[in-house]
Amino acid sequence: GAGVSQTPSNKVTEKGKYVELRCDPISGHTALYWYRQSLGQGPEFLIYFQGTGAADDSGLPNDRFFAVRPEGSVSTLKIQRTERGDSAVYLCASSLDGVNYGYTFGSGTRLTVV
Amino acid sequence: GDSVTQMEGPVTLSEEAFLTINCTYTATGYPSLFWYVQYPGEGLQLLLKATKADDKGSNKGFEATYRKETTSFHLEKGSVQVSDSAVYFCALSDQGGNQFYFGTGTSLTVIP
Repeated sequence: GAGVSQTPSNKVTEKGKYVELRCDPISGHTALYWYRQSLGQGPEFLIYFQGTGAADDSGLPNDRFFAVRPEGSVSTLKIQRTERGDSAVYLCASSLDGVNYGYTFGSGTRLTVV
Repeated sequence: GDSVTQMEGPVTLSEEAFLTINCTYTATGYPSLFWYVQYPGEGLQLLLKATKADDKGSNKGFEATYRKETTSFHLEKGSVQVSDSAVYFCALSDQGGNQFYFGTGTSLTVIP
């Protein structure tokens, strides 16, 4: 597609529930990144995929967070047993040849845990 | 660890005023530096970048120079417009190049 698409744009869930957030990167972009942006803060790195594999998952806050990219295109960020502190905007970005080229970001998914 | 500190906002300017948003960084090695902009209701967009010391990034009238001696990458524009109203983020990528470190963002409002 023309840009990075994230769905849903908004998600409200109850504490303890499981959620999945989807990212469709730009066609042909091999690098895909997930970031989390809390209110009033800059985005914080979560995980980076090169192709199908997670090349760096050091930003995932704990084992409730997991992400996959099974065919090297669409990625899903999965959060188990959601907590109110997980409320944030989750951003996805893709890049043709790595971070120094500059990312293209999606508009994000606003997750609210009530 | 690597980090970015940028000027806190919000910043309000009149149209045609001069803009400076300060950004300093801490990094080991030789990072690349970026400014991203987020317009209301839109995703982050790359505004400009510089990959080595003394490089100047420029785009849409905005400029920033990579100053290694002062570890800074201040954003400037000589004459702002109402359409420049947005949140601006300074960021660096480390030498490993796998991730960005973002500042907290500076909100700019330009009034006619």
